[in-house]
Amino acid sequence: DTEVTQTPKHLVMGMTNKKSLKCEQHMGHRAMYWYKQKAKKPPELMFVYSYEKLSINESVPSRFSPECPNSSLLNLHLHALQPEDSALYLCASSHSQDRDRGNTIYFGEGSWLTVV
Amino acid sequence: GNSVTQMEGPVTLSEEAFLTINCTYTATGYPSLFWYVQYPGEGLQLLLKATKADDKGSNKGFEATYRKETTSFHLEKGSVQVSDSAVYFCALCYNFNKFYFGSGTKLNVKP
Repeated sequence: DTEVTQTPKHLVMGMTNKKSLKCEQHMGHRAMYWYKQKAKKPPELMFVYSYEKLSINESVPSRFSPECPNSSLLNLHLHALQPEDSALYLCASSHSQDRDRGNTIYFGEGSWLTVV
Repeated sequence: GNSVTQMEGPVTLSEEAFLTINCTYTATGYPSLFWYVQYPGEGLQLLLKATKADDKGSNKGFEATYRKETTSFHLEKGSVQVSDSAVYFCALCYNFNKFYFGSGTKLNVKP
């Protein structure tokens, strides 16, 4: 069982809607990630938070807005999306900078987003 | 730069056949290497990992050895099952938070 929990599992939204994806982990990890995955493609990195601060933004459009309220939670706020944004959105977490543990990224089961 | 190259799929095998999925990488320094598996409709699950040269990762009958001299991390299993049908991603981690994924290899196992 994954220890990274994502909600909702499925979301259908219109292009004028505002919605949010939520992610929670209780493994004590200090790095959290959002990835986007299209069908038959590998995950593409969107954002990385390290110690609750945004450390990586892979040139993601501003209609996607991440938020890290605390070390266990990560949100992705969605506004004015396009149909091509329909994809599986994966949250993940890892120990941030602990070389001894050999960093490993753990994924949630994802949120399937359809923009209509 | 850092990158991962996997063999293209799909790979179709009969049950109990031997599996090899090739993975090679390009990286500066000494990355950690991973195999993740994705079953239909689900997220990615860690299958196995290796953090330094000559390490062998293993789990559920799958194995992969970190070969620095050939920059490879090939996935093997001696006898596949129908339940192993999934997409397999090779990945490397460099500088703690930078993960690079291969394009994925779909495995179909027929009874």
